[in-house]
Amino acid sequence: EAQVTQNPRYLITVTGKKLTVTCSQNMNHEYMSWYRQDPGLGLRQIYYSMNVEVTDKGDVPEGYKVSRKEKRNFPLILESPSPNQTSLYFCASKSSRDRVYEQYFGPGTRLTVT
Amino acid sequence: GQQLNQSPQSMFIQEGEDVSMNCTSSSIFNTWLWYKQDPGEGPVLLIALYKAGELTSNGRLTAQFGITRKDSFLNISASIPSDVGIYFCAGQLQRSGNQFYFGTGTSLTVIP
Repeated sequence: EAQVTQNPRYLITVTGKKLTVTCSQNMNHEYMSWYRQDPGLGLRQIYYSMNVEVTDKGDVPEGYKVSRKEKRNFPLILESPSPNQTSLYFCASKSSRDRVYEQYFGPGTRLTVT
Repeated sequence: GQQLNQSPQSMFIQEGEDVSMNCTSSSIFNTWLWYKQDPGEGPVLLIALYKAGELTSNGRLTAQFGITRKDSFLNISASIPSDVGIYFCAGQLQRSGNQFYFGTGTSLTVIP
């Protein structure tokens, strides 16, 4: 089954404690991306990656890091989480073929930083 | 960052009614996309629009790419209970590379 998986699904942590949210896709997609969803703000793109070792900032990259060492994985790293990073996070992937815009989203990770 | 203004924020309608929602931007977009998010899940693509004036249907859903390239519209005809969810517009700016911008969402409730 084609899917994007994220782990963990729920996470409660404290300010300053480094954490990583993993994302993996089994569709051999070149493009992967991270979004955060906040009430009234919709989804905002944090980082995206066009392929292995190629990453770019999205709209709200501050406080986040990513890496793309393998095609299937795109982890999101919060080096020093703060309460304003409490949010619902989605990973997504898509093919990079021309005019292919359908992103497949993971189930989401609900993060709470106290 | 780029702001996509989506309206209305929420809608409560009777089953069988038609629904209209729209999305506007201050910038010109290269593509417009409409997604639906069911509770507890990630968004799923409904319709993709590629050029100004384009009108595309997907079952009971119809979306249009505005001729100014700064807006898009989504209509749902004869709503049913499973239409409940949050609808997002999204798009890519001209020459923006591969960055996507999402609207603020329209929450739809269908009353049986």
